[in-house]
Amino acid sequence: ETGVTQSPTHLIKTRGQQVTLRCSSQSGHNTVSWYQQALGQGPQFIFQYYREEENGRGNFPPRFSGLQFPNYSSELNVNALELDDSALYLCASSLDRRYEQYFGPGTRLTVT
Amino acid sequence: KNEVEQSPQNLTAQEGEFITINCSYSVGISALHWLQQHPGGGIVSLFMLSSGKQKQGRLIATINIQEKHSSLHITASHPRDSAVYICAVRERGGADGLTFGKGTHLIIQP
Repeated sequence: ETGVTQSPTHLIKTRGQQVTLRCSSQSGHNTVSWYQQALGQGPQFIFQYYREEENGRGNFPPRFSGLQFPNYSSELNVNALELDDSALYLCASSLDRRYEQYFGPGTRLTVT
Repeated sequence: KNEVEQSPQNLTAQEGEFITINCSYSVGISALHWLQQHPGGGIVSLFMLSSGKQKQGRLIATINIQEKHSSLHITASHPRDSAVYICAVRERGGADGLTFGKGTHLIIQP
């Protein structure tokens, strides 16, 4: 059984650019949640996708958007990057919306 | 909005000591998670609790719903237990994402 994978591992972008981060769910999982973790802080909930629909959103602006595909893999898109977007981005998949979440290794984004 | 507070923020102990990490939250929840994060970022789910107590090897997690409080205990601690331990909650009736504490940085010295 393959665990949750994320790509890329590391990414450096310039302020104002756009970025797409990818997450492959664990086999059989239909729910993906995305989190942002700034250095020294706990993760913050960005949004969750359940069966290709957004199922809840944290306190993040609309320039953070997402997609979930029929195979339940997911993308996180961030437009108009700001310096404060530099963080570790984590995705977590679960068997269903309120089940235990399994985390990927994260993508570390640096915005310069 | 749920506030999740963990204590202590940092803890250094000697190998073999009994470790307790505490978590309190402000709003009713449907589940509480204890997670372990190693340097480099990978997060591993240790427990998901909605009541009572769970045990996995040397790890024990308890929750008191009425007092809005949970504890994570490590018995016979070992240097490989060194990590950041994070408490996270899912609010009852809220969005299904988790609200996290800031974590407890644990160092076990040989």
